[in-house]
Formats: sequence, structure tokens, C-alpha cells
Amino acid sequence: AQSVTQPDIHITVSEGASLELRCNYSYGATPYLFWYVQSPGQGLQLLLKYFSGDTLVQGIKGFEAEFKRSQSSFNLRKPSVHWSDAAEYFCAVGGEGSYIPTFGRGTSLIVHP
Amino acid sequence: NAGVTQTPKFRILKIGQSMTLQCTQDMNHNYMYWYRQDPGMGLKLIYYSVGAGITDKGEVPNGYNVSRSTTEDFPLRLELAAPSQTSVYFCASSPPSAGQEYFGPGTRLTVT
Repeated sequence: AQSVTQPDIHITVSEGASLELRCNYSYGATPYLFWYVQSPGQGLQLLLKYFSGDTLVQGIKGFEAEFKRSQSSFNLRKPSVHWSDAAEYFCAVGGEGSYIPTFGRGTSLIVHP
Repeated sequence: NAGVTQTPKFRILKIGQSMTLQCTQDMNHNYMYWYRQDPGMGLKLIYYSVGAGITDKGEVPNGYNVSRSTTEDFPLRLELAAPSQTSVYFCASSPPSAGQEYFGPGTRLTVT
């Protein structure tokens, strides 16, 4: 069965600092991996996705993520966080033949001025 | 494209009442999903559909029903509302692969 673990429930960073949100997945075949962001009171918006190819993927709003098959990880990074990045971040995994992605529980990002 | 639209945005129900949450997408996506989101619990899949006329249960289907008569619409029905159904409900759609999901803005439901 596929699963996603986001080990950090909350992350607090100062504005301008770098950010890394962790995501570990379990999937029996080649995974499709996603990061979504949810601003307060809003739906989820796709930040970036990995299907195949280059293991470092670039997304919107200056985010990037790196797929590491050996570690079953897909961590999200941003070099300099802005106050507007404060939100809930969800990692998800799916794959060919699996039309039901599995979501992690989410990581809440708090940004201090 | 409007994407995925949901109505209503907010609703308060009394215990035992029924209601339908509406979801429409204009992207011609085959797959559609209903999730509920409770604080700190992430997203729980209620029902999903892989095309018109085809629906199936997700992780937490009890107390809900769905139908999919057209590609565009995927309404979620609550027959006998219970306080445990107080939650934020999201509808989503995706093209026919385990690809990106497009989410609606959500419906915040309170059952008292």
C-alpha cells in the first residue's frame, strides 16, 4: 500500500531563512510525487510534481524539490522564505495505474518577521 | 476555465438534516474526488469517480453518498447529518492518470 509521511507537524522559520520540508513515501513502483500548498481558508494548489527525469524539480513561488529514490524522499526546499509562504504544505504520492493519490498529514509553516 | 467550483462555501446544519454539496469542473477530467479535512488530520478520501456512472468508496464513506451522471458534476449527499461530519469538504478533479489534482475552494460545514 502506498503511504506518505511528513514527520514535521509544524515548522517555524524566520523570514529570509532557508526552508526544507520533509516527505518520505512508500510506493511499490515508480512514484509520481507532488507538493501542494494550502493558504488559510483556501483549497490546495500544486507547487510542483515529479513524474520522471531530472530528480530536481522546480515549482512555482521559488520552491524546488529533490527526488531521492534510495531514501524514498521528496523534500521541499526554498532558499529564502517570505512571510506570504506561511501556509500548510502537503506531500502526495501516486503512480501509473493508481488514480488515487495518497496525501501526507501536512506540515504547517510559520514565518516569523 | 473556472476550474473546480463548489457550492455552498459555508453551511450550518442541524443534526438529522440532509444536504447536497455541489461540485462542478469544466476541464473535462475523468477523475473526481471528495475529501474531508479535519484539523491536523490531512485529507481523507470520502468517494471518488473515474468517469460518468462510476463511483467508489474511499477511506471514510459512511454517512455520505455520491452520484456521477455527467463528466462535469459530482455532488456529495449527506442524508442524516451528524456532528462528526463537521468538517471542510474539498472536491477535486484530475485527468486520467495519477497526475495532478485540481481542487475546489472548499465547503465549510458545521453540524449542530
